[in-house]
Amino acid sequence: AQKVTQAQTEISVVEKEDVTLDCVYETRDTTYYLFWYKQPPSGELVFLIRRNSFDEQNEISGRYSWNFQKSTSSFNFTITASQVVDSAVYFCALSSVGTASKLTFGTGTRLQVTL
Amino acid sequence: DAGVTQSPTHLIKTRGQQVTLRCSPKSGHDTVSWYQQALGQGPQFIFQYYEEEERQRGNFPDRFSGHQFPNYSSELNVNALLLGDSALYLCASSLRIGRISDEQFFGPGTRLTVL
Repeated sequence: AQKVTQAQTEISVVEKEDVTLDCVYETRDTTYYLFWYKQPPSGELVFLIRRNSFDEQNEISGRYSWNFQKSTSSFNFTITASQVVDSAVYFCALSSVGTASKLTFGTGTRLQVTL
Repeated sequence: DAGVTQSPTHLIKTRGQQVTLRCSPKSGHDTVSWYQQALGQGPQFIFQYYEEEERQRGNFPDRFSGHQFPNYSSELNVNALLLGDSALYLCASSLRIGRISDEQFFGPGTRLTVL
């Protein structure tokens, strides 16, 4: 069975601070995808990134960066210089290659960015 | 390019009633997945439709059923509603290539309240 754990329930930061959201996953599959989604108050899940298990190269995209470490089954997400518009619930998710994108989500981390 | 659309936005039903939720996928997508998101939780996979057939199913009872139409749109039906069915129901669409599905795009969801 697959499992995604987001231990941080809620994080509050002041604007311009950096913040890292933690994600730990469990799977018996050797090939899989990892995702981060953002859910603003409107409710719609917004896709941020997908990484496959073959690619442990970390990436920076604007203010976002990701740290994928297969050895520790972690896929952490960092926002640099946070902004009030970053306030949302962030979900980490996992799917197996070959299951045509059935996603297993964590319970989410609520990020509150204040002025 | 229209994204994923869902109707209705909100719905209030009483216990024992039946409900139908609708989803139109993003243009060019052929696969529709449904998720249930209880308050404060991550989305839970209900089932997925491709080529008008249910291809995968999560751990949900038979009261939850669905349908996909030739134009790829989909319906989610829930019979004999329980209070615990109150949730945000999210539809996601994707393009399937072989057994692999590209990233999923989510709709805004339907908020179902069962009284």
